[in-house]
Formats: sequence, structure tokens, C-alpha cells
Amino acid sequence: DAGVTQSPTHLIKTRGQQVTLRCSPKSGHDTVSWYQQALGQGPQFIFQYYEEEERQRGNFPDRFSGHQFPNYSSELNVNALLLGDSALYLCASSFTSGRANEQFFGPGTRLTVL
Amino acid sequence: AQRVTQPEKLLSVFKGAPVELKCNYSYSGSPELFWYVQYSRQRLQLLLRHISRESIKGFTADLNKGETSFHLKKPFAQEEDSAMYYCALLYPIIQGAQKLVFGQGTRLTINP
Repeated sequence: DAGVTQSPTHLIKTRGQQVTLRCSPKSGHDTVSWYQQALGQGPQFIFQYYEEEERQRGNFPDRFSGHQFPNYSSELNVNALLLGDSALYLCASSFTSGRANEQFFGPGTRLTVL
Repeated sequence: AQRVTQPEKLLSVFKGAPVELKCNYSYSGSPELFWYVQYSRQRLQLLLRHISRESIKGFTADLNKGETSFHLKKPFAQEEDSAMYYCALLYPIIQGAQKLVFGQGTRLTINP
């Protein structure tokens, strides 16, 4: 099991563009959470997906949207990119009925907005 | 509001010295607390959780509800402990769903 995987590793975009980040959860996991980690900060919760639906959302604008597919993989979309969206985007997977819902993290996608 | 505070952004100690990374939380319910670690060029990974009351790599953390703290301790630091450490609070949001809130992290450097 490769664990949680994310693609791409790095991405450079310009302001106003749109971006899609992808995440494959750990085998057996059904829940995917997305986090934004700005430089020097801890990860900030964006939203969580379970059964192809967004279950909860953090304090992020509607420019951030997501999707979960039947195979539990997930995408994070960000529209109308701003310079402040530059960050490491982390995906974490968990099993809803698992032990304290332990979340396993992917390596992240480094997004740079110029 | 649920919040996790790690007051030290940087902590530097010598090899063999005791280490304590501080974490305070704000949550009205019964907390589930974790310590995550990120070694250089590696992904964020779980170090330990308070409900397990276990020692991982010599680290322990005790939940003190009176002081709303969950400090991470190790009696004798090793160079391989150098990493970024994050304290995190897990709490329920809606039925079946839980949210993880992280502190800002403490960069621990162990000097030889």
C-alpha cells in the first residue's frame, strides 16, 4: 500500500487561473480531508468528503471546491487564484469507523501562484 | 472556538537533554489530542495520541484537563528527533464526522 498519494507534486500558476489537485486515499479508507498549509503555519482544514459529499467546510471561500469519486479518491479545485493561495495543500484519509478517525497524510502539493 | 496553541515556534536543546514541547487547547467537550511530526523531506505522520497513553520513540504526552494542556516530553533528546512537531485537536462536527485542528507547530532542533 503506497499510502495516501497526491498529484502533482509541484504546480505553478498565475493569478486568476484555476487549479485541480488530486488525492488517492490509503487502501481501505473512505474519508478524505483537505488542508492548506501556508509557510510557517500549521495545516488549516478546508473541507472533508465522505460518500461523495462534502461533510464539513472550514473557513475558506467558495473558490475552493472539491469532489469525491466512487473509488474514494478526491479532487480539490481552486478558481480565480490569488497570490495568497500559494501554500502546501495536504490531503488526509481516514476510515470513518476507524480508531479515533486517525488521519493519514499525503506528501502534499506545493502550489505557487505568481 | 476550538483552538490549539503551541507557544514556541522554535526550540533548540542539546543531545541528551530533556525536551518539552508545549501545547494548550481550547475545547469545551472531551478532547482527543494528537502529536504529529514532520521530519525533513517526509510527510506529516502521527507520533502519538492521548487515548493510547503510549510512548513512541521515547516521547510521552499527558493530557491535563485542568490546565488544558498536552505537552510532549522526552527525557533524553536524540539528534534524530530534530523535526517539526504539531499538536492537534480532533473534535466532532456532525454525526460521524470529525475535524482536526492544528497548532502552528514547533521546530525542534537537537544540537550535538
